[in-house]
Amino acid sequence: GAGVSQSPSNKVTEKGKDVELRCDPISGHTALYWYRQSLGQGLEFLIYFQGNSAPDKSGLPSDRFSAERTGGSVSTLTIQRTQQEDSAVYLCADAGVGTDTQYFGPGTRLTVL
Amino acid sequence: AQSVTQPDIHITVSEGASLELRCNYSYGATPYLFWYVQSPGQGLQLLLKYFSGDTLVQGIKGFEAEFKRSQSSFNLRKPSVHWSDAAEYFCAGRGSQGNLIFGKGTKLSVKP
Repeated sequence: GAGVSQSPSNKVTEKGKDVELRCDPISGHTALYWYRQSLGQGLEFLIYFQGNSAPDKSGLPSDRFSAERTGGSVSTLTIQRTQQEDSAVYLCADAGVGTDTQYFGPGTRLTVL
Repeated sequence: AQSVTQPDIHITVSEGASLELRCNYSYGATPYLFWYVQSPGQGLQLLLKYFSGDTLVQGIKGFEAEFKRSQSSFNLRKPSVHWSDAAEYFCAGRGSQGNLIFGKGTKLSVKP
């Protein structure tokens, strides 16, 4: 069907609250990436899932950030105790088997007040 | 460390004029390189990619890019810009886990 989808498209939260961001990848695409786009830092890699392997968390900025991927499909990025510097657009991308071409979702704009 | 640099933050061109957006990379081996475009409020769309072979690659929307190893560059070009090309353009290289390492982006404005 359609491409990568993300929800919600916009999220406004108060400092200290937890948020969950969702990514629905293209069916059959085994690789899934999360990125963050902010004015000061540009586009940064956060975390990578490949099939059922343990994720590569090397890009996560702090232990307040975590992500999971259930059944090799839907992924959720969780930010605990949000801070104002977490305000950004969070992008999800996926890639099919044996390809390096990533397809991006529309992103979730997170605003922490 | 692997890195991608886009020297120009903002470029303005007249509609119908030619365009070249610069991208330089720092990689130990031959990099996989990409150009993405992001229109306001939209996600990232792949324009073209280079993995190996012919150093001049064609993409969508009339864009092309040339890989030049001697200059560590992968510049994006278009012979005639349309107003709808106004957007932000990102050059990226493939990281060790398949993740993308992005440049800071170049914002393109098009004058009528």
